[in-house]
Amino acid sequence: QKEVEQDPGPLSVPEGAIVSLNCTYSNSAFQYFMWYRQYSRKGPELLMYTYSSGNKEDGRFTAQVDKSSKYISLFIRDSQPSDSATYLCAMSWTGANNLFFGTGTRLTVIP
Amino acid sequence: GAGVSQTPSNKVTEKGKYVELRCDPISGHTALYWYRQSLGQGPEFLIYFQGTGAADDSGLPNDRFFAVRPEGSVSTLKIQRTERGDSAVYLCASSLTPESGANVLTFGAGSRLTVL
Repeated sequence: QKEVEQDPGPLSVPEGAIVSLNCTYSNSAFQYFMWYRQYSRKGPELLMYTYSSGNKEDGRFTAQVDKSSKYISLFIRDSQPSDSATYLCAMSWTGANNLFFGTGTRLTVIP
Repeated sequence: GAGVSQTPSNKVTEKGKYVELRCDPISGHTALYWYRQSLGQGPEFLIYFQGTGAADDSGLPNDRFFAVRPEGSVSTLKIQRTERGDSAVYLCASSLTPESGANVLTFGAGSRLTVL
């Protein structure tokens, strides 16, 4: 079993829809949770960063962490065609030397 | 520089050949990471440098893989006797060393390696 599980999709939604992306994990030591966005033929870019449980909002993006369920989510409101990309969850703990990534969910927003 | 720069962007080689992939991190970033991303997968950790030394090389798959960072800035990932299974995108990332918490990594665009 991988430490981080993520549904690879693909996921297609119409423009303006609310998108929900999710990851589950098995290692209870994870404290830092990130969402990266990766466009085709590009490197991942950091989208959201949260520590421990709770919600964080940035514009149209909301990240949620539920440590009791070992479940994290990213919500995208009013989705745009420019949001079409692969979304990777990543997580780590204090002092860790690396990030543990999910497989990524490929999202297409249809105009 | 403004971002993490990786060269070459694409490399096609034949099975058994030697390849070098270069990473130029963000100026001032002391931490440098190499990850490998296979098709349809998330990045997988290979090696982490703090300054000039490899602080953690636990992700290197075998002894055909080696990386150096001699002056604490540019790093080179070296792959000997390449195999078809080495085909992937090799991502480099850098970060400041945080006083606390997890490192926030900035990634380069990657070097796409194809072994024929």
